[in-house]
Amino acid sequence: KAGVTQTPRYLIKTRGQQVTLSCSPISGHRSVSWYQQTPGQGLQFLFEYFSETQRNKGNFPGRFSGRQFSNSRSEMNVSTLELGDSALYLCASSLVSQGRGYTFGSGTRLTVV
Amino acid sequence: AQKVTQAQTEISVVEKEDVTLDCVYETRDTTYYLFWYKQPPSGELVFLIRRNSFDEQNEISGRYSWNFQKSTSSFNFTITASQVVDSAVYFCALPHYGGATNKLIFGTGTLLAVQP
Repeated sequence: KAGVTQTPRYLIKTRGQQVTLSCSPISGHRSVSWYQQTPGQGLQFLFEYFSETQRNKGNFPGRFSGRQFSNSRSEMNVSTLELGDSALYLCASSLVSQGRGYTFGSGTRLTVV
Repeated sequence: AQKVTQAQTEISVVEKEDVTLDCVYETRDTTYYLFWYKQPPSGELVFLIRRNSFDEQNEISGRYSWNFQKSTSSFNFTITASQVVDSAVYFCALPHYGGATNKLIFGTGTLLAVQP
């Protein structure tokens, strides 16, 4: 059973650019959540998608957005990148929303220069 | 408010020593889950255990054991006979469900360094 796949693994972007990250959940899992991990703030919840609908959103500016496709794959987009957006972005999949089990991907490490 | 506290920022032990990682949580929910995850240098969060608040039985899985005590809101994790491969950051997490909010609340993590 394939795990959660995140692409790309590493990204280097310039301030002001935008970036799109991808997450393919475990087959059959319909919920995808995104987290940002930084040394200063730790692991923080970004948003959750379930059946192509955003169910929950964390306390992040509108520059952070996402979507989910009919095959449950999810993308998150960050526009007008800032240096502080440099982080490890992790996605987690679970069978249903409010899932009792979350499986994480290896993450995308974004560096903004 | 939901909160997870991991007071130990960093622990260093020598291989074969036993080590306990502490986790204290706060929640208003009467039933809840608790998780432990391991994050090796590669970055992936690896699931270790999920505990339901109904079940206070301690659990042992190989060299790992967990001590859940509802009375003190603690969910501690012990590695017996530690190995270099156990070196990682360990996170305790509490799911928060409520209204439009459904997320995992993580502690700040404990960096475990096992020296050969």
